[in-house]
Amino acid sequence: GAVVSQHPSRVICKSGTSVKIECRSLDFQATTMFWYRQFPKKSLMLMATSNEGSKATYEQGVEKDKFLINHASLTLSTLTVTSAHPEDSSFYICSADSAGQGKGGNTIYFGEGSWLTVV
Amino acid sequence: GNSVTQMEGPVTLSEEAFLTINCTYTATGYPSLFWYVQYPGEGLQLLLKATKADDKGSNKGFEATYRKETTSFHLEKGSVQVSDSAVYFCALSDQNYGQNFVFGPGTRLSVLP
Repeated sequence: GAVVSQHPSRVICKSGTSVKIECRSLDFQATTMFWYRQFPKKSLMLMATSNEGSKATYEQGVEKDKFLINHASLTLSTLTVTSAHPEDSSFYICSADSAGQGKGGNTIYFGEGSWLTVV
Repeated sequence: GNSVTQMEGPVTLSEEAFLTINCTYTATGYPSLFWYVQYPGEGLQLLLKATKADDKGSNKGFEATYRKETTSFHLEKGSVQVSDSAVYFCALSDQNYGQNFVFGPGTRLSVLP
């Protein structure tokens, strides 16, 4: 079963409002989570690296005041798109690193992704 | 629904060995296929991609060919280096069916000097 849960899977919001997307590691503690975005007909783009208990590290060109990331606990990271606009409509996906948690093998797990539509 | 199956790791090789990581997919449409790599402590990076049958993606000595008849996209490299140690993800994107990226579980590669 899924070990990283992302919610909501689909959300529609009005332009100018804010929307929050949650990424939860279900059976391990993730000190590091990653947030990605997919632009139309393109590959995933890393937006930021979320570190528990500290500020996220944003990639160049990503507006940190618009895409707020909070990693308040070892099992939860949230991405809030503030003052959303139609151009923010996209597919957002998170991944969590379970390194050191005894899960062995591959230590990176992906959420299911979230479709955001801003109208 | 769409899915990606990837060989389980971890895979441990000696430097200069030949690498193959198998990937097969199930899709209702005609997806694009990707290999992503994640180095320790970093986010995902696109390694290579192929958008239609018989296309070959290549980058940094890695290659993968889109085989529609076998629904496969196996990753190969003729001579691995220690710096290739990472987790490799096979993925597909089938936007025509409203579904975006589907990732395989990832394969961890360790290359020993």
